[in-house]
Amino acid sequence: AQTVTQSQPEMSVQEAETVTLSCTYDTSESDYYLFWYKQPPSRQMILVIRQEAYKQQNATENRFSVNFQKAAKSFSLKISDSQLGDAAMYFCAYRSATQYNFNKFYFGSGTKLNVKP
Amino acid sequence: EAQVTQNPRYLITVTGKKLTVTCSQNMNHEYMSWYRQDPGLGLRQIYYSMNVEVTDKGDVPEGYKVSRKEKRNFPLILESPSPNQTSLYFCASSWGAGANVLTFGAGSRLTVL
Repeated sequence: AQTVTQSQPEMSVQEAETVTLSCTYDTSESDYYLFWYKQPPSRQMILVIRQEAYKQQNATENRFSVNFQKAAKSFSLKISDSQLGDAAMYFCAYRSATQYNFNKFYFGSGTKLNVKP
Repeated sequence: EAQVTQNPRYLITVTGKKLTVTCSQNMNHEYMSWYRQDPGLGLRQIYYSMNVEVTDKGDVPEGYKVSRKEKRNFPLILESPSPNQTSLYFCASSWGAGANVLTFGAGSRLTVL
């Protein structure tokens, strides 16, 4: 089974600054999808960004961007101009693109992001 | 509004008392799944369903049952809950496979005494 590792249980960033959350994954598959989800104190899971493994270009969504390193199996999330509303738990997730495994999602253990005013 | 609705949101029960957590989506999604969230472990998949009457186990299915008799509903059943099933549960749905994004319910906090 695939594994997703988030090695930073908790991080802090000053408002308006930039922070990078790390995620690595272990897989033998060549085609898959990667996601970052945000979970604020309300507990609602919200998609932040997604990346298709076959795309070399890193995904970007406004202040959120990823650094996808396929060979290194790394998928970090960069948050620019951090805002108080970015404070949340962030989960990295993996979904296979293969016929036999695409029904399964694998999540990391999460990184709690604190934003200081 | 497109959404996934779970009920109950909070529940305290006792060991062995059967309970059902309901999940309903109004987006005509084919794929539905259940997860449990525990501190330090992230979310782990319990069961998933690709369509009506098609269900399969995720990574932590022991102690749980599901059914998919209608496309919109995917209830999670705990036949004989135990304290190790105390957790935060999420239902989610999406269009089929691939990069399609999961839409999550608001979560159900379950405590088994």
